[in-house]
Amino acid sequence: AQSVTQLGSHVSVSEGALVLLRCNYSSSVPPYLFWYVQYPNQGLQLLLKYTSAATLVKGINGFEAEFKKSETSFHLTKPSAHMSDAAEYFCAVSDMDAGGTSYGKLTFGQGTILTVHP
Amino acid sequence: KAGVTQTPRYLIKTRGQQVTLSCSPISGHRSVSWYQQTPGQGLQFLFEYFSETQRNKGNFPGRFSGRQFSNSRSEMNVSTLELGDSALYLCASSLSGGAAGLNTGELFFGEGSRLTVL
Repeated sequence: AQSVTQLGSHVSVSEGALVLLRCNYSSSVPPYLFWYVQYPNQGLQLLLKYTSAATLVKGINGFEAEFKKSETSFHLTKPSAHMSDAAEYFCAVSDMDAGGTSYGKLTFGQGTILTVHP
Repeated sequence: KAGVTQTPRYLIKTRGQQVTLSCSPISGHRSVSWYQQTPGQGLQFLFEYFSETQRNKGNFPGRFSGRQFSNSRSEMNVSTLELGDSALYLCASSLSGGAAGLNTGELFFGEGSRLTVL
């Protein structure tokens, strides 16, 4: 079974500073990995996904993530934080069976709340 | 293209009652998954439906059930409500639920139904 660990339940940065949110995964098969963002009282919005093409993945709102198989990591970064980036971020892995089908199941990390200070 | 629509957005019930939540997937999506989100347990997979059949199920008691209609719309039901069922219930849709070789398992989420049990 797959699992995801997000290091740091809360991250605080200043506006304009680098954002780094950490995610490590465990998977018995080549993983598909995702980052989602959740704003208060809303659902989850897909930021970006890794699907075994390029290891550096660019997403929406200036975010990107790098897949590192040797470190089993998929950390999310943004060069310059904006006040509007304040939200909760979830890393997720597609929970695939041996045949490569996930049947609608993602395994999520516990989430990281990002606070951006002026 | 309209996104995933969930109704109702908010509801309050008392212990012992039952509740039905509705989800309309993105047009053309045949897979619908349900997740429960709580502060303590995070995001947990409930079940997935594809072509009116439940294909995958998480570790929830039998009080949690669902169904899918021929137009891919889905409902989930929780009977004999308990205080611990208070949560945000998220519905997500995808083309095929992450079928091997067809897509990467990414899910598109609705805004959720927030259930409070008193």
